Amino acid sequence: EVQLLELGGALVQPGGSLRLSCAASGFTFDDFAMHWVRQPPGKGPEWVAGISWNSATIAYADSVKGRFTVSRDNAKNSLFVQMDRLRPEDTAFYYCVKDIFPSLGSGPLASWGQGTLVTVSS
Amino acid sequence: EIVLTQSPDTLSLSPGERATLSCRASQSVSGSYLAWYQQRPGQAPRLLFYGPSFRATGIPARFSGSGSGTDFTLIISRLEPEDFAVYYCHQYDRSPFTFGQGTKLEIK
Repeated sequence: EVQLLELGGALVQPGGSLRLSCAASGFTFDDFAMHWVRQPPGKGPEWVAGISWNSATIAYADSVKGRFTVSRDNAKNSLFVQMDRLRPEDTAFYYCVKDIFPSLGSGPLASWGQGTLVTVSS
Repeated sequence: EIVLTQSPDTLSLSPGERATLSCRASQSVSGSYLAWYQQRPGQAPRLLFYGPSFRATGIPARFSGSGSGTDFTLIISRLEPEDFAVYYCHQYDRSPFTFGQGTKLEIK
């Protein structure tokens, strides 16, 4: 069974930084692209970033480009996102999501974690 | 970026009725790289369909997906109580990948 556990959500001040991690299990991690998707409370989801199986292809939403950095460690079955210069509008549940293919732009968001809440507020 | 517009915003129906949800893209979604998700309160979204007619694992046969180009449809043939939720379409054809605003399916 696919399991995705997001860690690292917290309350942070505007302008601050936070690093989220995702521990994956139940599948061969380096066979699949991975994504971060966020959802503000009471609103719809927004795709944030995606990374191919070998980290060769990485893509970001315009709203986070230059501030967020996604990475993965296939040896540790882990996905990360470093979030810098955080803004109040970054407040959301952040989900770690598994693709169905190794490359980006080929498959849907197949399996979702339960999410971790990031709150950006003073 | 590709903008997805879902209609209606809210759909009020009774159990046993048929639901038709629409998703229109601002540009053609090549390869029909369009997916549908269901989200129940307090839960993460769940993949229903992709491609857009390939049913994800465990999704009941009363759900069906179709469409191509810019117009896509999700149909639930006979609504069960657990089907009342919010539904999102999503395109993974072109980065940035985008979602529709959602259709809330509520009990009438």
